[in-house]
This record gives sequence, structure tokens and C-alpha cells, in this order.
Amino acid sequence: GEDVEQSLFLSVREGDSSVINCTYTDSSSTYLYWYKQEPGAGLQLLTYIFSNMDMKQDQRLTVLLNKKDKHLSLRIADTQTGDSAIYFCAESNGMYSGGGADGLTFGKGTHLIIQP
Amino acid sequence: DTGVSQDPRHKITKRGQNVTFRCDPISEHNRLYWYRQTLGQGPEFLTYFQNEAQLEKSRLLSDRFSAERPKGSFSTLEIQRTEQGDSAMYLCASSPSGGQGVYEQYFGPGTRLTVT
Repeated sequence: GEDVEQSLFLSVREGDSSVINCTYTDSSSTYLYWYKQEPGAGLQLLTYIFSNMDMKQDQRLTVLLNKKDKHLSLRIADTQTGDSAIYFCAESNGMYSGGGADGLTFGKGTHLIIQP
Repeated sequence: DTGVSQDPRHKITKRGQNVTFRCDPISEHNRLYWYRQTLGQGPEFLTYFQNEAQLEKSRLLSDRFSAERPKGSFSTLEIQRTEQGDSAMYLCASSPSGGQGVYEQYFGPGTRLTVT
């Protein structure tokens, strides 16, 4: 079955880069997503990448995809205190739609802790 | 556009009672999804609709759970004969028709269910 794995915690100093890693098992994954969840708030879509890409950059965020190793990472440049949150990796395989319309499979999330 | 809304935000019920939650998606989003999230876990997919048609159901969705989207706009999720294991945050998401097969899912704030 589908499985998405993430480290539970990551601690970085303010101003440094954060790199959050994710591995997945479903080789038919079509889209991979990163969501952010702050305490008491809903899930916020940060970015996504199509499986035929290996990199996507969006302002401070860089997503790297190694499809051979089924490894996804999210790099946050110049990490700020406002980046403190839980980050979820998610994948869809488009089994029913042929695209990314199906239910997402999420990891357990990585708690990003910012040290001053 | 005010985003995905869910009602109620919190629900406390006694074991054995029925509960119903409502989700209003972002207007003109034709896909609507239900997820469940428990403490320390990522969201788990339950079911999704394209317009009024329920296209996919997870095996997590037992016979006590039923979801509807009668007019292709808002959706309801009903849990009959609630059990303590049903205590969780129930999340709703919606997405527009995806260009290039991507379907960005936007989440609501969730309904927190506590079964006593």
C-alpha cells in the first residue's frame, strides 16, 4: 500500500536553511505536495511538484524530487520564527482520475522548531 | 472568496449518538474531499466527490459513516452510533478542475469531534 514517511522533528537556527525530507513508496505517484499546519490552524498548501520534474522553486521554497529513490525534500531558505509549524508531505497517484484529483496520502508531519 | 468553511468547529457528543458535520467549499470548486486527523498523525483520506457524485471511498469509511453532496455545492458527513475511536478532527477540502491534471486541495479549519 501507499506509505509516506517523514522525520518527526527538525530544529534549526533562525536565518539558516531548513531541509525537510520525505520518502514515499508508491511508484505511481503523480503529484507530491507540501502542506504547512500551524497550531490551531488549518492545512495550508505551500507547493507541489509533478513527478516528471526534479526541482521547483517558489521564493524561499525549493522542492527537490528524486523519483528513482522516491525521495522528496522541501528547503526553506532564511528560516524565520513564522516558519515554525508542522510540515506535511503528501502524494496522490491519480488512480481514479489519471491526474492528481484523488485523495491524498499524508505523512505524519515534521515539526519545525526555530531556535533564536 | 472566503475559503472552505466547516460547521460546527467543535462537537462533543456521547457514545452512541449520531452527529452531522457540514462543509461549504470554495465557490465553483467542483471537487470536495473529507479527511480525518488524529493527534500526532497526518490527515487520512475518507472520501471525495466530483460535483454530486461520490467517486472514491477509503476503507476507513465504515458503514456508520455516510457523506452526501446533494446539489454539488455543500457536503455533509454523518457518523451514526458514534464510538470513542471516532474522536478526531474532521477536515474538508475542495479543489477546482485541475489544469494539467493537478488538483490543488484547499482545506477548511476542521470540525473537532469529541466522543465521551
